[in-house]
Amino acid sequence: AQSVAQPEDQVNVAEGNPLTVKCTYSVSGNPYLFWYVQYPNRGLQFLLKYITGDNLVKGSYGFEAEFNKSQTSFHLKKPSALVSDSALYFCAVRDRGSGNTGKLIFGQGTTLQVKP
Amino acid sequence: AAGVIQSPRHLIKEKRETATLKCYPIPRHDTVYWYQQGPGQDPQFLISFYEKMQSDKGSIPDRFSAQQFSDYHSELNMSSLELGDSALYFCASSPQRRDNSPLHFGNGTRLTVT
Repeated sequence: AQSVAQPEDQVNVAEGNPLTVKCTYSVSGNPYLFWYVQYPNRGLQFLLKYITGDNLVKGSYGFEAEFNKSQTSFHLKKPSALVSDSALYFCAVRDRGSGNTGKLIFGQGTTLQVKP
Repeated sequence: AAGVIQSPRHLIKEKRETATLKCYPIPRHDTVYWYQQGPGQDPQFLISFYEKMQSDKGSIPDRFSAQQFSDYHSELNMSSLELGDSALYFCASSPQRRDNSPLHFGNGTRLTVT
């Protein structure tokens, strides 16, 4: 069965410092991987995705993620955090064979707190 | 750009009542997904539709049903509501079930059952 793990409930960083939000996955075959951000009482906003090719994927708002097949990881990164980045972040996986359904399986979520 | 529209934004119901949540996908998106997010939880997949047919089913209670209409909007019907049904319900849409397309989420309907 597909699963996604985000080992940290919360990540705290100081504004201007680099941030990393961790994600590991367990799927059969090669997955499609996604990161979403959720602000309070709002829907999930798409940040970036990994489909194939370059292991470093760049997305919205300066975020990027690194796909590591051997470690089955897809960590979210940003070189310089902003206070406005504080939110709930979800990693998600979609099985490449899911053409008939396409549903996403989400990790538990990680709260990012960026302090001034 | 047009986004996924969900209505209502907030809904308060009593136990054993029924509720109907509506979702209007992005134009030309033919696939709709419903998710339930409890407090402090990750979104849990309920059900999806492609071209007005159910395409997948997740952890949706038998008390719930859903459908997608000819204009591609979808409705989630919830009956015999329980306190545990209180959650944020999200609808998402994507085009043509392509594996590599992201799901676009609405802002959700917050259901409170008292």
